[in-house]
Amino acid sequence: SAVISQKPSRDICQRGTSLTIQCQVDSQVTMMFWYRQQPGQSLTLIATANQGSEATYESGFVIDKFPISRPNLTFSTLTVSNMSPEDSSIYLCSVAGKTGPYNEQFFGPGTRLTVL
Amino acid sequence: KQEVTQIPAALSVPEGENLVLNCSFTDSAIYNLQWFRQDPGKGLTSLLLIQSSQREQTSGRLNASLDKSSGRSTLYIAASQPGDSATYLCAVGSGSARQLTFGSGTQLTVLP
Repeated sequence: SAVISQKPSRDICQRGTSLTIQCQVDSQVTMMFWYRQQPGQSLTLIATANQGSEATYESGFVIDKFPISRPNLTFSTLTVSNMSPEDSSIYLCSVAGKTGPYNEQFFGPGTRLTVL
Repeated sequence: KQEVTQIPAALSVPEGENLVLNCSFTDSAIYNLQWFRQDPGKGLTSLLLIQSSQREQTSGRLNASLDKSSGRSTLYIAASQPGDSATYLCAVGSGSARQLTFGSGTQLTVLP
């Protein structure tokens, strides 16, 4: 399994500001994903982070609001831009096993974001 | 669009009971199905992965089955323990990136 860390683990931010969340994996992985878990809800995929190219966003999520970088096979960032209280959620990154996309997805511990 | 449903939404059982959690999905064109556990305020822990060509997977007291044609999966937990109390999430992998679509989860409480 992959060991995934996220920074920060939690943050409280003011409306209108931006926060960048980092995801670091201990080994090279093929696929990296970003999910959002709103309070009391299940997980929703925001985007697939592609190494060396633009992220692929799911319906309802746009690059201007959630810019993503993936400079290499072990690291990705998600920025939540121009935040509002509705962005208060847990943001999780996940990776698919390095041996191919058919393997398990493993999740980071999440970043708990509160927007005031 | 893939939709995943989990029943029941919540379940409370006495310690030692065997129990079954249900998951259904609308599109049978999946690559795999994964069961996760989430403890309050924590991330997700992968429990079992079933590839689309498989019928079941077992790990310790856990057994997951998959009937792709009918769009169903079950997670069987034997001899439940208070430490099993958590939210259990079912997720199906589909699409070009094998991204996961999650159900809303079953919140399990095992009473001592």
